[in-house]
Amino acid sequence: KAGVTQTPRYLIKTRGQQVTLSCSPISGHRSVSWYQQTPGQGLQFLFEYFSETQRNKGNFPGRFSGRQFSNSRSEMNVSTLELGDSALYLCASSLIFQETQYFGPGTRLLVL
Amino acid sequence: AQSVTQPDIHITVSEGASLELRCNYSYGATPYLFWYVQSPGQGLQLLLKYFSGDTLVQGIKGFEAEFKRSQSSFNLRKPSVHWSDAAEYFCAVGPNFGNEKLTFGTGTRLTIIP
Repeated sequence: KAGVTQTPRYLIKTRGQQVTLSCSPISGHRSVSWYQQTPGQGLQFLFEYFSETQRNKGNFPGRFSGRQFSNSRSEMNVSTLELGDSALYLCASSLIFQETQYFGPGTRLLVL
Repeated sequence: AQSVTQPDIHITVSEGASLELRCNYSYGATPYLFWYVQSPGQGLQLLLKYFSGDTLVQGIKGFEAEFKRSQSSFNLRKPSVHWSDAAEYFCAVGPNFGNEKLTFGTGTRLTIIP
């Protein structure tokens, strides 16, 4: 069974731009969570989606948003990028919410 | 609120030596506990998990962890490390019976010396 896939793997953007990251969960998994990983803050939870509904949200500004499609694929969007948004963004999927999460390889975003 | 503490930021061990990585958690109920490993530039790979039952949990790559409720700990162990075990290790708690997220510790970087 294929694992969690994330596209693109690497991105370079400039301040003020917006970016969309994509995540395809493991087949059959219906819950998708997003995390931001930085050297200073570590792994921080962004949000979780299940059956196209956001079930849980971390402490991030409204510039960070996401959605989930009927096939469980998920996207997250960051608008008006700031230098501090440079990070590894990790997507994780699970069968249902509150179950074991399996992570993708991440998308590394660099904001210049 | 749930929290996880990994007191060791960096550990160096010799190849073939035993390993123990410490993890302490704070959680109001019976926790779900996880250990993940991350190689440079990669995502997180699940090593093992504890939900209930036997407090000694076996995982992949020869790792095991022991849940000790009285000490709020979930330490990761391996009897003999290999150079390929060099990576960063994260302990995590939750979610469980609530709308809570998976909370990670700050990680322990493991270096293996020949």
